[in-house]
Amino acid sequence: DQQVKQNSPSLSVQEGRISILNCDYTNSMFDYFLWYKKYPAEGPTFLISISSIKDKNEDGRFTVFLNKSAKHLSLHIVPSQPGDSAVYFCAATYSGAGSYQLTFGKGTKLSVIP
Amino acid sequence: EPEVTQTPSHQVTQMGQEVILRCVPISNHLYFYWYRQILGQKVEFLVSFYNNEISEKSEIFDDQFSVERPDGSNFTLKIRSTKLEDSAMYFCASTNFGTGGEETQYFGPGTRLLVL
Repeated sequence: DQQVKQNSPSLSVQEGRISILNCDYTNSMFDYFLWYKKYPAEGPTFLISISSIKDKNEDGRFTVFLNKSAKHLSLHIVPSQPGDSAVYFCAATYSGAGSYQLTFGKGTKLSVIP
Repeated sequence: EPEVTQTPSHQVTQMGQEVILRCVPISNHLYFYWYRQILGQKVEFLVSFYNNEISEKSEIFDDQFSVERPDGSNFTLKIRSTKLEDSAMYFCASTNFGTGGEETQYFGPGTRLLVL
């Protein structure tokens, strides 16, 4: 039951270029979406989020886009830096989920090549 | 910057033994969570805790699992009789509701549990 899907297990990008990570969801009740970054042997670190009432949220080099009709969101990192190399998880929740528990995708491993 | 802490970082145990994983959530947060990630798989929700009681739990969280907030700062996950398939990374998270009802969960570094 993959309610949140990240279909690309890995992505390689040259330093300075744009990284685009994609995420699809199937549960139309999801109304809040988050991106987390994870280094090996560490916990997920919150990166950026977006509510379903918006279609874009920007924070420095990171921008998340939400297309509700397509049930798709993407994370753009511009410019990509070697320190961005990590696994990126898309997560979703909804206000009817009681305690807002998160449903995660399987993650995309981003490698930024110097 | 406040952060969620977890102890121990690693735990090796024999099948059938009890383990207690400990977490100190961010001090002004009200909701606490446990998630786990089996190697190579996605992060999965186990349980949420609010106002000194479980608010939601997943199918994974069976009778072998329990959670407790024994004092004002610690939040624990107990696995009463560990099984091989309990081997995973266990993450604690905490949050406070935002003004718009949105929330961001902040995760601890995790405890790697290995059941032999």
